[in-house]
Amino acid sequence: EVQLLESGGGLAQPGGSLRLSCAASGFTFSNYAMSWVRQAPGKGLEWVSSISGSGVNTYHADSVKGRFTSSRDIAKNTVFLQMNSLRAEDTAVYYCAKGDRRDTALVTRFDPWGQGTLVTVSS
Amino acid sequence: QSALTQPASVSGSPGQSITISCTGTSSDVGRFNLVSWYQQYPGKAPKLIIYEGSKRPSGVSTRFSGSKSGNTASLTISGLQAEDEADYYCCSYAGSSTFVFGIGTKVTVL
Repeated sequence: EVQLLESGGGLAQPGGSLRLSCAASGFTFSNYAMSWVRQAPGKGLEWVSSISGSGVNTYHADSVKGRFTSSRDIAKNTVFLQMNSLRAEDTAVYYCAKGDRRDTALVTRFDPWGQGTLVTVSS
Repeated sequence: QSALTQPASVSGSPGQSITISCTGTSSDVGRFNLVSWYQQYPGKAPKLIIYEGSKRPSGVSTRFSGSKSGNTASLTISGLQAEDEADYYCCSYAGSSTFVFGIGTKVTVL
């Protein structure tokens, strides 16, 4: 069974940093792209970032480009989201989700999703 | 990248059919046959119910179906049941390994 478990959320000050982790199990980790999707309180879903199976290629939404960086440790079956220069509008539940292809350009769906981790940016 | 347009809410009585639209542009929904749909209950993670426009993952009820015409994708729920009351989101590939979600639709079973 595929399982994704996010961690690392919490309270951060504006301008601060947080590093989210997503531990994966139940599949060959390096064969699949992984993505981060966030949901602000009471709002809809927003794609944040995707990383290829190898970890070589990463892509980010314009809203986080230059501030957030995805990476993955294949040996630890874990994907990370480094979030710098945090803003109040980054407050959200952050989900990691598994793609169905190794190449991010070929991903057709996000399935499954982790349970999410809450990030709150406030002074 | 602007969010895809969905109706804020759709409602129906048990047993009826409802359709949720998802309107994008010729750069996303209209260009790629890569629209997926997700069901989300309050406080829970989203769940995939349709991918590649009209394909159902194993275990998803056949009451859910998807289609696309031009820049608009649609999700139809037939034989509406109380358990279908949830939020529904469409998502489209938007090129260059980026994705865009819809604003979400709240489905209410009357």
